[in-house]
Amino acid sequence: DAKTTQPPSMDCAEGRAANLPCNHSTISGNEYVYWYRQIHSQGPQYIIHGLKNNETNEMASLIITEDRKSSTLILPHATLRDTAVYYCIVSRRGGADGLTFGKGTHLIIQP
Amino acid sequence: NAGVTQTPKFQVLKTGQSMTLQCAQDMNHNSMYWYRQDPGMGLRLIYYSASEGTTDKGEVPNGYNVSRLNKREFSLRLESAAPSQTSVYFCASSEHGARYNEQFFGPGTRLTVL
Repeated sequence: DAKTTQPPSMDCAEGRAANLPCNHSTISGNEYVYWYRQIHSQGPQYIIHGLKNNETNEMASLIITEDRKSSTLILPHATLRDTAVYYCIVSRRGGADGLTFGKGTHLIIQP
Repeated sequence: NAGVTQTPKFQVLKTGQSMTLQCAQDMNHNSMYWYRQDPGMGLRLIYYSASEGTTDKGEVPNGYNVSRLNKREFSLRLESAAPSQTSVYFCASSEHGARYNEQFFGPGTRLTVL
């Protein structure tokens, strides 16, 4: 699975959109981009995934560049409960043989 | 649905002691996983089981054994605990063969080895 690079930490004001970047320049054509988050040492929680097209669900939006070498997770209206570590993961089989977690981005939502 | 449950929540061991961490899921998933998370780090895969009766090593299997007891349960055993195994242990499950294999995680077991 391709490696990912994320900033170690970010701040965002409550109510604003939080944009979390991820670089995955060595991604292969059949690898998906996944986002998970971990709130205060709880078990990680799946957020969203995508292959080529932009994706949106009730939690977030995922924007993948046309060359697929980077992506951005967008939380449209961040709340204090969105403070967490966010992990960007690239995987060919969705983690069927396990997910590879980096250190992620610690997102802090400021009141 | 309880999802993925883990027992115990906390455990303190002395070096050389053994113990088994238990994990169960009620989502009828085929695949189950054990990860460990050290302070300030991401999760690392210890072992996984793609289906009942099969297990495979992950990134950091040394010092651990696993048993896929049935479809619901996947246990992790430390035969002779070492301080380097102080960590938070997470169990996860997913539906193998599903379109995107979303993994569901348990709440974790916090293990300290003195």
